[in-house]
Amino acid sequence: SQKIEQNSEALNIQEGKTATLTCNYTNYSPAYLQWYRQDPGRGPVFLLLIRENEKEKRKERLKVTFDTTLKQSLFHITASQPADSATYLCALDVGGSYIPTFGRGTSLIVHP
Amino acid sequence: NAGVTQTPKFQVLKTGQSMTLQCAQDMNHEYMSWYRQDPGMGLRLIHYSVGAGITDQGEVPNGYNVSRSTTEDFPLRLLSAAPSQTSVYFCASSNPGVDINTEAFFGQGTRLTVV
Repeated sequence: SQKIEQNSEALNIQEGKTATLTCNYTNYSPAYLQWYRQDPGRGPVFLLLIRENEKEKRKERLKVTFDTTLKQSLFHITASQPADSATYLCALDVGGSYIPTFGRGTSLIVHP
Repeated sequence: NAGVTQTPKFQVLKTGQSMTLQCAQDMNHEYMSWYRQDPGMGLRLIHYSVGAGITDQGEVPNGYNVSRSTTEDFPLRLLSAAPSQTSVYFCASSNPGVDINTEAFFGQGTRLTVV
């Protein structure tokens, strides 16, 4: 079956450290992968998109890597801050519909 | 810009009642979709539309109907509410375009409880 897997356990880190979140997928060959942030009681907010021919993409303190051989994306937040605490969702385009299919998300908690 | 607007924000229904969740976007996006989000289940696609007059089923379409008569609006209808439809519902829109910029914009959600 097709799956998008994110660590269901919350990631707890200290302020200033780098947070690394993982998204693994099976039985897909996505043209791109997206990362979203979701705060409690709010809708997801788009952060970054990385295409299959891109190894890495950066935006301010965010960095995303995409390994189509391993079928894995890593999402890094450097110099993390308590305000970065949220749930982070990865999403793939399944079947070329341009409608994202989401993983279950990983909760990040940054402690001051 | 209002973006994607969902109404109502909260709703309580009795089993068997019907209702329509409203979704409107003012960005002239072609693509619109409905998701439900349950604890531990993530966002699951209910229905989607790639343009006015075109709709298709997602992963969990049973018990829901949609229509897309205009670019702006994409209502979700619950035909006969069941407790299993208690969830938070999100509407999203996007416009892939030439650059395949598929960023999805989400509404604030509708929290539905069926008793």
